[in-house]
Amino acid sequence: GENVEQHPSTLSVQEGDSAVIKCTYSDSASNYFPWYKQELGKRPQLIIDIRSNVGEKKDQRIAVTLNKTAKHFSLHITETQPEDSAVYFCAASRGFGNEKLTFGTGTRLTIIP
Amino acid sequence: SAVISQKPSRDICQRGTSLTIQCQVDSQVTMMFWYRQQPGQSLTLIATANQGSEATYESGFVIDKFPISRPNLTFSTLTVSNMSPEDSSIYLCSVANSASYEQYFGPGTRLTVT
Repeated sequence: GENVEQHPSTLSVQEGDSAVIKCTYSDSASNYFPWYKQELGKRPQLIIDIRSNVGEKKDQRIAVTLNKTAKHFSLHITETQPEDSAVYFCAASRGFGNEKLTFGTGTRLTIIP
Repeated sequence: SAVISQKPSRDICQRGTSLTIQCQVDSQVTMMFWYRQQPGQSLTLIATANQGSEATYESGFVIDKFPISRPNLTFSTLTVSNMSPEDSSIYLCSVANSASYEQYFGPGTRLTVT
């Protein structure tokens, strides 16, 4: 089955700096890669996703890149703000919503004011 | 996205008892999934619940321990049976439609077994 590895497990950055979280996956049939943000005591929230026919996707301060050949994808957050502090999870699946997600182990991001 | 609710939001249960968690969606969805998230950990899929068919369980999870119902396209239940302290966790449902990629999560049920 699919295996998703995520690094780093913790990340601290100064407010205003950029943060990068990286994930690798093992199943070459995976073609959908969402990122979830989970604040303390809250549900995971989908913040951005990318499909395998796209190499990069941006939404304001966040972007995701995908390298299918290397089987890795990354989350980039620019101009970080205190409200970006949370645990971020990457995930992978084989496609449409009827396919299960396999999650990475999570990255605890702390923004230092 | 759909509005997803779960009941109860939290519970404290005695070992050996069972708890049924409900997941309700405000619109019809094709797929419902049940996850477990232990403190400080990632999300682990327990099973996938299709309406009108048996749930599909992941390795390490069995129907006798985690029976699931999916009576219609807006509702599912997960029962945690014969609980032990190791079952203390957050249980989350998520929903998706076969016509799209996105999965959305319910607020979770925090279970403590004493």
